[in-house]
Amino acid sequence: AQKITQTQPGMFVQEKEAVTLDCTYDTSDPSYGLFWYKQPSSGEMIFLIYQGSYDQQNATEGRYSLNFQKARKSANLVISASQLGDSAMYFCAMREGSGGYQKVTFGTGTKLQVIP
Amino acid sequence: GAVVSQHPSRVICKSGTSVKIECRSLDFQATTMFWYRQFPKKSLMLMATSNEGSKATYEQGVEKDKFLINHASLTLSTLTVTSAHPEDSSFYICSAREGTGIRKTQYFGPGTRLLVL
Repeated sequence: AQKITQTQPGMFVQEKEAVTLDCTYDTSDPSYGLFWYKQPSSGEMIFLIYQGSYDQQNATEGRYSLNFQKARKSANLVISASQLGDSAMYFCAMREGSGGYQKVTFGTGTKLQVIP
Repeated sequence: GAVVSQHPSRVICKSGTSVKIECRSLDFQATTMFWYRQFPKKSLMLMATSNEGSKATYEQGVEKDKFLINHASLTLSTLTVTSAHPEDSSFYICSAREGTGIRKTQYFGPGTRLLVL
């Protein structure tokens, strides 16, 4: 089974509209962290937002928010008021384990294109 | 789906020693491989991009003599941290892509935790 699943290979959104990028995960570890990264065409990975498995509230960072539904094992990224510069690949990732025994798993990414 | 493995998953070494991390694509030919370093505040920094058979392209600020990258075959890339120091302690993640087109899917390894004492 896939540890991280991003079911949307590509998405379009109108500028200034909100968009939700889906991410579901699978783990039996009670302690884990969920990340979203943005990858522009340059290849760099830009950290957007983090959600810990024990965090009570959904994480928010500016225009980014993470819709964390623990029981459903989903961690969707919501981008509000889309901008042309938001066009990029977006990766969801999960980090499991603790101390030196950690493992990170990335999804296959969603390519977001913002339309003017 | 495609699988990328990293070995070792965890390594502890003394300051001044060199450490080699392997990244393998298990069921596809990775024309391009990437090496990232994940910092404590979760940011993921691209260190270098390597294409099979050619020299790696390092990002600005990354010392190529310290972080040696070898992409000798279509399924294997290695990152050698030479003369490691405690500040090199980090989580290193490799990624592989089949083909050179940016539309190709990029697959990530599970990461290697390096601790330099």
